[in-house]
Amino acid sequence: GDSVTQMEGPVTLSEEAFLTINCTYTATGYPSLFWYVQYPGEGLQLLLKATKADDKGSNKGFEATYRKETTSFHLEKGSVQVSDSAVYFCALSDGLTGGGNKLTFGTGTQLKVEL
Amino acid sequence: GAGVSQSPSNKVTEKGKDVELRCDPISGHTALYWYRQSLGQGLEFLIYFQGNSAPDKSGLPSDRFSAERTGGSVSTLTIQRTQQEDSAVYLCASSLLVSTDTQYFGPGTRLTVL
Repeated sequence: GDSVTQMEGPVTLSEEAFLTINCTYTATGYPSLFWYVQYPGEGLQLLLKATKADDKGSNKGFEATYRKETTSFHLEKGSVQVSDSAVYFCALSDGLTGGGNKLTFGTGTQLKVEL
Repeated sequence: GAGVSQSPSNKVTEKGKDVELRCDPISGHTALYWYRQSLGQGLEFLIYFQGNSAPDKSGLPSDRFSAERTGGSVSTLTIQRTQQEDSAVYLCASSLLVSTDTQYFGPGTRLTVL
């Protein structure tokens, strides 16, 4: 079945540091890929997405490129801020294995950004 | 416009009791999804609705779990004879169509079974 693997956290960075959170996936078809973010005390929010190979999703300075050859969708940001502290979830949907476009999530990576 | 809302935000119950969790999707969204977020299992899919029908219930963990959706809008997730392992945050999401891949999540209901 479908699965998503992302790096364990927590990840602790200083403000303005470069961020990479690795994500790889296994899927039956050609999935859409997502990064969701969960800020403390809040619900899941879509951060960015990509629907086909080589697409780059971007939002709020975050980027991720859909790499079919390496089945990866790594999240990057050039300069993190304290306000980026949150839990980040990589996810996919393939719409082929039942469940409509159900999302399969990774385990989440907690990011802490310090001054 | 209003986002996805869920109620209650917190629910504490005793083992063996039944609970009902409610989800109000974004107006006009035809697809509705339930997920569960727990420490041991992460975020897992439970069930989805297309209109009022549930084509895939395979994610429901046992027959104590059921869900319905009425009027193509509000959905209720019912857990009968709750067990301690049911303690989790239950998340609801909606999307405009089943074929639309962007889902919008509610704030969740935190269920604690004592």
